[in-house]
Amino acid sequence: GENVEQHPSTLSVQEGDSAVIKCTYSDSASNYFPWYKQELGKRPQLIIDIRSNVGEKKDQRIAVTLNKTAKHFSLHITETQPEDSAVYFCAASKGGSTLGRLYFGRGTQLTVWP
Amino acid sequence: SAVISQKPSRDICQRGTSLTIQCQVDSQVTMMFWYRQQPGQSLTLIATANQGSEATYESGFVIDKFPISRPNLTFSTLTVSNMSPEDSSIYLCSAYTSFQETQYFGPGTRLLVL
Repeated sequence: GENVEQHPSTLSVQEGDSAVIKCTYSDSASNYFPWYKQELGKRPQLIIDIRSNVGEKKDQRIAVTLNKTAKHFSLHITETQPEDSAVYFCAASKGGSTLGRLYFGRGTQLTVWP
Repeated sequence: SAVISQKPSRDICQRGTSLTIQCQVDSQVTMMFWYRQQPGQSLTLIATANQGSEATYESGFVIDKFPISRPNLTFSTLTVSNMSPEDSSIYLCSAYTSFQETQYFGPGTRLLVL
């Protein structure tokens, strides 16, 4: 099965700095890579995703990059704000009819200090 | 976006008993899934809830322990059978819509087994 590794497990940054979270996956058939943000006591919320035919995707302060050759993908958050503090999970899926079968990384606790 | 609700939101149960969790989506969705999130941990896929047929279970999860039903395109149940304290966790329902190509999560059911 798919194995997703995520680093770092915790990340502290000053407000306004950038944060980068990295993930690797094992199954070369995976082609859908979403990122979820989970605040304490709440459900995971999709913040951005990328498919294997795209190398980079941006949405305002958030960007995701994908390197299929190396089997890794990263989340970049610029100009961080205290409200970005949460646990971030990366995930991988083979897409198509199995797109919803997500395999998650262990999560990164991001803390943004004002 | 799909709105997902779960019942109950939380419960405290005695070991050896069973609990059925309900998941309701406000619109027809392509696929529904059940995940488990142990305290402070990542999300683990339990099974894919197939409409009108037996669920597809991931490695380490079996139908006798986690029977799942999906009678229609908007509703699914997960039963946690013969519970032990190790089953204490958050159980999340998720739904995937092929139209939006996005997966949404329910609010989760917090289960404590004594």
